[in-house]
Amino acid sequence: SQQGEEDPQALSIQEGENATMNCSYKTSINNLQWYRQNSGRGLVHLILIRSNEREKHSGRLRVTLDTSKKSSSLLITASRAADTASYFCVSPDPGSSNTGKLIFGQGTTLQVKP
Amino acid sequence: GAGVSQSPRYKVAKRGQDVALRCDPISGHVSLFWYQQALGQGPEFLTYFQNEAQLDKSGLPSDRFFAERPEGSVSTLKIQRTQQEDSAVYLCASSFGRVNQPQHFGDGTRLSIL
Repeated sequence: SQQGEEDPQALSIQEGENATMNCSYKTSINNLQWYRQNSGRGLVHLILIRSNEREKHSGRLRVTLDTSKKSSSLLITASRAADTASYFCVSPDPGSSNTGKLIFGQGTTLQVKP
Repeated sequence: GAGVSQSPRYKVAKRGQDVALRCDPISGHVSLFWYQQALGQGPEFLTYFQNEAQLDKSGLPSDRFFAERPEGSVSTLKIQRTQQEDSAVYLCASSFGRVNQPQHFGDGTRLSIL
């Protein structure tokens, strides 16, 4: 079952522009995480936002969380070609609260053109 | 290195053969996860270990899939009598705790069944 769904599925921007990716989820969460996956590589954890937080920053990343709308967004400011990757919003499976099992969506594929 | 290591990086097998995929988690990480990622999709959970105990194997697609972590460190995912639909990238992740902890991923094993 899919918990998080990212939108858009694909995004292409010029270097220096900002990139915004959105995520909607279905059930209540304790936290929501964003991961990045470069082509042919594993996933890299970017940021974790807890259900009692509304916004969190990490470098050029800004994540927001609206639990009333069951949605989150990831903003990458001043994008670089190296930001080209797939981005996933992920939350622990609500039916597996003791394991940390993550449920992934299809992700947003971001292309940053130099 | 200090990251999660997976081997082999690529594996080609003929349909019907057995394969074994290895994961070396980050030292000291209690939790270990296996995910399967089809082309263009997000990872899908296969199984979870807490130390040597396999606490969740609900994502294993069939009884041809078997995973173990006998000493609570290295893990092996074995697929018997491989089928073409088993072709995918198999990702291993580890985390220090259970829930609400970032997962650290290896670069995966790309399995191709001919």
